[in-house]
Amino acid sequence: GAGVSQTPSNKVTEKGKYVELRCDPISGHTALYWYRQSLGQGPEFLIYFQGTGAADDSGLPNDRFFAVRPEGSVSTLKIQRTERGDSAVYLCASSLTGLTSTDTQYFGPGTRLTVL
Amino acid sequence: DQQVKQNSPSLSVQEGRISILNCDYTNSMFDYFLWYKKYPAEGPTFLISISSIKDKNEDGRFTVFLNKSAKHLSLHIVPSQPGDSAVYFCAASATFAGNQFYFGTGTSLTVIP
Repeated sequence: GAGVSQTPSNKVTEKGKYVELRCDPISGHTALYWYRQSLGQGPEFLIYFQGTGAADDSGLPNDRFFAVRPEGSVSTLKIQRTERGDSAVYLCASSLTGLTSTDTQYFGPGTRLTVL
Repeated sequence: DQQVKQNSPSLSVQEGRISILNCDYTNSMFDYFLWYKKYPAEGPTFLISISSIKDKNEDGRFTVFLNKSAKHLSLHIVPSQPGDSAVYFCAASATFAGNQFYFGTGTSLTVIP
């Protein structure tokens, strides 16, 4: 079956602009995660959804970042007033239940965001 | 602060030999550990995991060893193949503290034919 997909694959924007990044999880997966990977670093947790609700948003760096998952499937990560430091690859992952950390997370290919 | 560390940014190994990738962690609450493999322009792919109740888990050519007292784990690949060339990330989580994974910075493995 289809894996996790993310659109766009690349996004270039100017400082101060608003961007939306989309994630389509594996069908039937209840849990969805967003990570950010900066150059030379490992993925860094941003937020975790259980169904439609954000179960853990402790990784969001500040209030410019917001994510939604209104129908418990597709999720959108929204970044307001982008800054150059937001440039990174944004990864989305999904897992079947998310009820334990042993539930394997399947990653999408990521969206590379460049803020000029 | 980096709770999961991979101190070797890169590793080169001859085809057929053993590759050993290392990972250290600082948080004693971590009880579940994983290795992910990442090819360029793709997302990380789950490779193998180990629970803290074990000290070894094997899956084909891949074996993960866990030394809880040293807060150290390693991934052994034997025999190494050119298709194993990728970036390998170590990750850890604390089962009863949410589902957040903490990732290391990765080790780029090159297997030379």
